[in-house]
Amino acid sequence: GQQLNQSPQSMFIQEGEDVSMNCTSSSIFNTWLWYKQDPGEGPVLLIALYKAGELTSNGRLTAQFGITRKDSFLNISASIPSDVGIYFCAGRPGTYKYIFGTGTRLKVLA
Amino acid sequence: DAGVTQSPTHLIKTRGQQVTLRCSPISGHKSVSWYQQVLGQGPQFIFQYYEKEERGRGNFPDRFSARQFPNYSSELNVNALLLGDSALYLCASSSGVQGANQPQHFGDGTRLSIL
Repeated sequence: GQQLNQSPQSMFIQEGEDVSMNCTSSSIFNTWLWYKQDPGEGPVLLIALYKAGELTSNGRLTAQFGITRKDSFLNISASIPSDVGIYFCAGRPGTYKYIFGTGTRLKVLA
Repeated sequence: DAGVTQSPTHLIKTRGQQVTLRCSPISGHKSVSWYQQVLGQGPQFIFQYYEKEERGRGNFPDRFSARQFPNYSSELNVNALLLGDSALYLCASSSGVQGANQPQHFGDGTRLSIL
């Protein structure tokens, strides 16, 4: 099935560092969502973006809806150990379904 | 308030059997979507139901079917199970109006293993 491209695929960072990841598509999306998934659990919504160029924050997390509407970015500032997990982007091309990315696996070294 | 709840949490079946998975959406949410997540990948869209009608279907065979009840809960049925159906099945709910910008909230899924 179709999946969006996320990069990097995985990353190790030191506690306190800032993190950046992105998600790209060949299609235009009306909505971008960012989720975090921990082992054995479902994805938890972090940020929702509805407008091209929109920048939205949720605590230490900031996400942006790319101007072309084909990409999105997620930044985490001052990472902490509990930021460990898999981050998924999801884009909505139409009215009823979301297409998910391949995931970015984040590991934080204390 | 309770989030999206799914049952059972784990299930083991053999090839050829049939399975039914259940989902209760967040109170007040009328839309339910089902996703399949194979290990190491992102979720893949299977179905969306809104007001008890199927509104969208992903690229899955006819062995997969679903329905939504008047209380907005939903069931996903899979017939003639194959080894490749082993996955985490996720249910997501969103509020109200189809087409509006409403984020989806996920349950913790049902882990289905096919032997």
